[in-house]
Amino acid sequence: EEQLVESGGGLVQPGESLRLSCAAPGLTYHNSWMSWIRQTPGKGLEWVAHTNQDGSYKYYVDSVKGRFSISKDNAKNSLYLQMNSLGVEDTAVYYCVYWGEANYWGLGTLVTVSS
Amino acid sequence: DVVMTQSPLSLSVTLGQPASISCRSSQSLVHSNGDTCVSWFLQRPGQSPRRLIYNVSNRDSGVPDRFSASGSGTDFTLKISRVEAEDVGLYYCMQYRHWPHTFGQGTKVEIK
Repeated sequence: EEQLVESGGGLVQPGESLRLSCAAPGLTYHNSWMSWIRQTPGKGLEWVAHTNQDGSYKYYVDSVKGRFSISKDNAKNSLYLQMNSLGVEDTAVYYCVYWGEANYWGLGTLVTVSS
Repeated sequence: DVVMTQSPLSLSVTLGQPASISCRSSQSLVHSNGDTCVSWFLQRPGQSPRRLIYNVSNRDSGVPDRFSASGSGTDFTLKISRVEAEDVGLYYCMQYRHWPHTFGQGTKVEIK
């Protein structure tokens, strides 16, 4: 089974930035929609951002609009999430998710926002 | 946002016995193309979610046929015909008809 691998998570202070990356060499990114979905014990699973095959369409949940930016590099089979102005409410495990001929989730990367 | 309400939130099942999880959406999930946009996921302990079902009743590749799902409009059901030890975990329904796509709160399945 194909595996996506996220990186870039960590501990940051409120107001700081992080950039998450997701790689999956065995998958065909240019045919797929891709998402970032986060999970917390309190709010469960929450769709954060989503982009289409060529990156021309992007969706963001209201709580991250203007702060987060999703991007895709099909040539590198990579997905990114630039997260700015992070708040404690952004603390979560962030999953990279592939919606192509099958559905694959990464292992998740933990983002902790705390002072 | 569309609210997905699952029941029960917890289920204790004897090995080999059936199990059923319900999911109700606050809005119709029927797309203009005729598809009904509901999926089911299983998150085993310590693992990422894995999709089991898409478009109400279509099993993903590799999903055992003891898993089946049905429903229409706003009411959906996931059934396990004979629960096995590997079926333990959290089950989520998800709608992808309306933005933001939303998940149910999860149903914890454990072995009695």
